[in-house]
Amino acid sequence: DAGVIQSPRHEVTEMGQEVTLRCKPISGHNSLFWYRQTMMRGLELLIYFNNNVPIDDSGMPEDRFSAKMPNASFSTLKIQPSEPRDSAVYFCASSLEGSGRAVGELFFGEGSRLTVL
Amino acid sequence: AQSVAQPEDQVNVAEGNPLTVKCTYSVSGNPYLFWYVQYPNRGLQFLLKYITGDNLVKGSYGFEAEFNKSQTSFHLKKPSALVSDSALYFCAVRDINLIFGKGTKLSVKP
Repeated sequence: DAGVIQSPRHEVTEMGQEVTLRCKPISGHNSLFWYRQTMMRGLELLIYFNNNVPIDDSGMPEDRFSAKMPNASFSTLKIQPSEPRDSAVYFCASSLEGSGRAVGELFFGEGSRLTVL
Repeated sequence: AQSVAQPEDQVNVAEGNPLTVKCTYSVSGNPYLFWYVQYPNRGLQFLLKYITGDNLVKGSYGFEAEFNKSQTSFHLKKPSALVSDSALYFCAVRDINLIFGKGTKLSVKP
């Protein structure tokens, strides 16, 4: 199993540019999560999809952030326009969840390190 | 709201000594608790979880955790630390989403 695959691993961009981060979850998993990690704020959940449907997007910072999951094998996190305070490591994770309460462990990708100048 | 707290930013132990990384939780209902480890420049890796049953949970790499309902704690332990255990450790609680603590940096010195 290839695990959760994220791209790019590193992205350096200038303020105001659009950034798109990509994630391929583990085949067969039905839930996908986007997290952001910074020294100051730790790990923050941005959005959670179940069966390709956004279930909880309350962690998305503002309208500049958007996430999509057009099918079970692909998700994107877009920032437009980007700002220096968006600099962080963005993690995608997937899991296989049963009905009702979610109890599965998450499998994380290696992360995308974003630097906005 | 569900939450976990990791009271220590850093834990230092000597190789071969036992280690404990602390975690307390606050939940409504029965807690689903997890420990994850993060090595430098890597994603998080699952170590172990408590859902129900035996209060002592065994996980990967010789780690275990003890669920204590009266103290609302879920401390991570290992009888004999290795230098290679040095990493960032996260406690987490699960309801709809997985909510992580702020992490504890474990440093094991030779």
